[in-house]
Amino acid sequence: GAVVSQHPSWVICKSGTSVKIECRSLDFQATTMFWYRQFPKQSLMLMATSNEGSKATYEQGVEKDKFLINHASLTLSTLTVTSAHPEDSSFYICSAPILYSEQYFGPGTRLTVT
Amino acid sequence: GENVEQHPSTLSVQEGDSAVIKCTYSDSASNYFPWYKQELGKRPQLIIDIRSNVGEKKDQRIAVTLNKTAKHFSLHITETQPEDSAVYFCAASRQGANNLFFGTGTRLTVIP
Repeated sequence: GAVVSQHPSWVICKSGTSVKIECRSLDFQATTMFWYRQFPKQSLMLMATSNEGSKATYEQGVEKDKFLINHASLTLSTLTVTSAHPEDSSFYICSAPILYSEQYFGPGTRLTVT
Repeated sequence: GENVEQHPSTLSVQEGDSAVIKCTYSDSASNYFPWYKQELGKRPQLIIDIRSNVGEKKDQRIAVTLNKTAKHFSLHITETQPEDSAVYFCAASRQGANNLFFGTGTRLTVIP
């Protein structure tokens, strides 16, 4: 099946710094990718839709200036958490669909902000 | 936007018994309803999905039913096994597999 990777798998950063998370589709092209955030024992919350060649679409309540998304190519989307704070600590998961069939999820990135 | 509710939040069953998890959705335009299994710290794995033109789908011990009129869908797991223990999420989308909105999750524990 299709494979989506994320890097890093976990990261610890200090409050006020920025962190970049990469999401790659390894064996297929993805014009669209999705970014989710999952707090402990909670559901996946859709943050934004990453669109290759155009601006990302953010869900209501998600600060676009804080969570910068860049869909650099048909296989790579990046999420940058700017000026991170402890409340941004979470599990961030990306996904990519193949046309209108299944969405394939990355393994997730656990971010801890100290 | 879409609002997906899921219950129960926790479910414990004896090995071999059946488990049923239910979800409701708010957007009548939603047309794709997948179910995911997530183990702790890992990515969600699709276990079964159903589209709005079908009322029921089965894959071995797993089945999903959809009632479009009532806007609810259910996951049925028969002959449960300890390895079925995980968190299960339902989701809904109006754009095929895009823009999934997830339910709140059900932690299933299968007691040996």
